Formats: sequence, C-alpha cells, structure tokens
Amino acid sequence: NAGVTQTPKFRILKIGQSMTLQCTQDMNHNYMYWYRQDPGMGLKLIYYSVGAGITDKGEVPNGYNVSRSTTEDFPLRLELAAPSQTSVYFCASSPNRGPFSGANVLTFGAGSRLTVL
Amino acid sequence: DAKTTQPPSMDCAEGRAANLPCNHSTISGNEYVYWYRQIHSQGPQYIIHGLKNNETNEMASLIITEDRKSSTLILPHATLRDTAVYYCISGGYQKVTFGIGTKLQVIP
Repeated sequence: NAGVTQTPKFRILKIGQSMTLQCTQDMNHNYMYWYRQDPGMGLKLIYYSVGAGITDKGEVPNGYNVSRSTTEDFPLRLELAAPSQTSVYFCASSPNRGPFSGANVLTFGAGSRLTVL
Repeated sequence: DAKTTQPPSMDCAEGRAANLPCNHSTISGNEYVYWYRQIHSQGPQYIIHGLKNNETNEMASLIITEDRKSSTLILPHATLRDTAVYYCISGGYQKVTFGIGTKLQVIP
C-alpha cells in the first residue's frame, strides 16, 4: 500500500496563477482532509470530505476549491494564487465510521510545499 | 470536536521519560483522545489513541485521568529522534482540527 500520495512535492506559482494539488489514497478510506501549515504554526483544516460527492468547509476555506468524484482522489484547487497561500499543504485520509463506531485515525501524506511569488 | 490545551514547549534529557500533558476538559463521553507527532516538516504521524483506559503500544503510553479531562503521553526512553511537535486531539470526527501542539526538544 502506498497510503496517501500527494503531488507535486514542490511548486512555485506566480500571483494570479491557478493550480491543483493532487491527493490519492489506496486504503479505501471514506474521509479525506486538506490542511495547510504556515511556518512555525499548527495545521489548519481547509476542506474535508466524508465520501465521494460530499465536501465541506474547514477552518480556512477561502481561496480554495475541492471536489471528490471518487473514493480515492481529493484534489485541492487554487484559482487565483496569492502570496498568503504560500504554505505546506497536507492531505490526510481516515476510515471514519462515525462517533459511535470506534476511533478515527488519520493517515497523512508527505506534503506539498507551495510558494507564491 | 473538543478543544485541547497543551504547553507550547518542553525539554527532555535523552534516555529519560518524556511526559507530555494535554487538557481536554470539554471532551464528550464517546470521544477519543489521539496523539500525533510531526518531525520537522514531514506529515504528522499517528502515535496512539484511547477512550477511557490507559493504552500502550510500541511507541508510547497514554494515561487518561478517570474524569477524562486530561491525559499524558509518555515516551519511556526519549531519543534524539523523538524531537518533534506533538499534537493532542480529542473528538476527531468530521472537522478534525489541530492546535499548535507541544514542541518537544530531546537534549543529549
């Protein structure tokens, strides 16, 4: 199992450009998450998905869009890149079966480092 | 998800036990406590979780108070490779959010 795979690992964007960060998991997890981490800070939840076709906003969704057409993939789209979106982005997945069905352990990808100049 | 409070930083001598505290006073009865760690800029790594009973695995031990309002992660023999940021999370369904964690520095 590869676990959670994120691409690209590094990317430099110019202000106003658009791009998509890819995230794929091969564990058949229903829940997937996108976080961003600014230097010296904790992780902030951008969006999450409870299954194919269902997404919801996290703590810092502005400037991002997501889609979940399959169980395996959860891409994160930046439409008009801004310097404030310079960050490391982490994708995670979990076999969430709900609050009365056991623990919900997240598996993280290695991260994608994005710089907007 | 219930809110957690952790000290921002701690030091521990190499070879000694590292005890990392976490307060989660608003935790609900069916919510778990989870610990993750992040070494440098890598993706966070799951360590351990618990509901009511104390738990132990190959990485660490988790001690949860009887009232479940706080817990302690114990690394029994800290090594330099345990230097990392440790995150305590309670609840953890739907919007899984992380605080700033505790930065543990293991000192030679």
